[in-house]
Formats: sequence, structure tokens, C-alpha cells
Amino acid sequence: AQTVTQSQPEMSVQEAETVTLSCTYDTSESDYYLFWYKQPPSRQMILVIRQEAYKQQNATENRFSVNFQKAAKSFSLKISDSQLGDAAMYFCAYRSRNYGQNFVFGPGTRLSVLP
Amino acid sequence: DSGVTQTPKHLITATGQRVTLRCSPRSGDLSVYWYQQSLDQGLQFLIQYYNGEERAKGNILERFSAQQFPDLHSELNLSSLELGDSALYFCASSPGGQGDLENGYTFGSGTRLTVV
Repeated sequence: AQTVTQSQPEMSVQEAETVTLSCTYDTSESDYYLFWYKQPPSRQMILVIRQEAYKQQNATENRFSVNFQKAAKSFSLKISDSQLGDAAMYFCAYRSRNYGQNFVFGPGTRLSVLP
Repeated sequence: DSGVTQTPKHLITATGQRVTLRCSPRSGDLSVYWYQQSLDQGLQFLIQYYNGEERAKGNILERFSAQQFPDLHSELNLSSLELGDSALYFCASSPGGQGDLENGYTFGSGTRLTVV
């Protein structure tokens, strides 16, 4: 079974600075998808970014980018130019390419943005 | 607004009781998923329905059941409630089919269940 680990329960960053959230996972599969979800105080789960394991190029979405290290099974999220609205819980998630499998979520990292 | 509607937003009930949580998926989505988010277990997949049929089952207790109706809305029934069932219950939806493999789901805002 796959597992996802986020070793940082809490992180903080100054507004306009850059922060990196860590995620590692364990799987015996070679093809899969990885995601970062954001959960603000509104509780809404919002997709931030996704990465396909067979693509070597790291995904980017505006201020959000990932560092995907397949061999190390690492999938970190970098947030540049942090904004107050980035404060939230961030969940890393794994999804097998096998149809019918569902997401495996990490325990989350609570990010605070300091003005 | 994500397009996935969950009701009620908050629910407080006593141990031993039964409750029903409701989810309306985003327009056009055929798949509905239920997740439980508790402090000690994180986000746990409970069950998935696709176009009215059960598609996948996760860590769902026997006291819990779900169904998806012809209009595609889904209900999660929780019975003989225990204190440990207190959690945030999320519904998510997706179009269904192979395209779901690379797409994330669209989540609702959740139902906060408190068992006292």
C-alpha cells in the first residue's frame, strides 16, 4: 500500500518570501500522479498543482512549483512571493494510475504567513 | 463555490444516533467520493459511487453506508454514532472515466459532525 509523509506539521513564512513544503511517499508503482491540495479556514479543498510521474519536468502554476525527485520519492512544493491568502493546511496526495484507486493523502502541513 | 454542495454544514448529535449527510456533485460529474477528515487519522477515503453504482470502498465502517441516487446526488448514512466519529466529512466529485486518472477531484466544503 502507498503511504504519504509530510514531516513538517507547521511552517511559517514572511509575506513576499519563499517557502518549501516537504512530501515523501512510498510506492512500488512506476507510474502515478502526485498532487498538492490547499485547505484554507473555509475548509474547502483546493487543488494547487499536480505532477505526472512519467514527466521529468517539474510542474508550475504561477507562484507554485514542485521539485519532483522520483528516485528519492520526494515531491516538495515551493511557494514564491508568499501572500496572506496562502495561509492554509497543505496536503500532499498520491494517486495510482490504476483506475479505481483513490487518493492517499499525507497528514498535512499548516502554513502561516506573517505580515 | 466549487459546484459541489454538501448539507448540512454543521451537525451536532448524541452517541447512538443516526445521521444522513447529503452531497450534490458538480453539474455533469458522475462520480461521487466520500472522505472522512479527523484529527488523528487525516483524510481517509470511505467510498466511491459512479453513476449510481458502488465503484470502490475504502476504510468505511459497517455502521456507515452510502448510496447515489438517479439524480446523482449522494447520501452518507452514519448510524450508532460514537464519539470517535466526530470529524469533517467531505464529498468530492469528478466527471468519471479514464480522464479522472490525472485530474484532481472537486471537493465540497464538508459537513462538520460533532458527536456528544
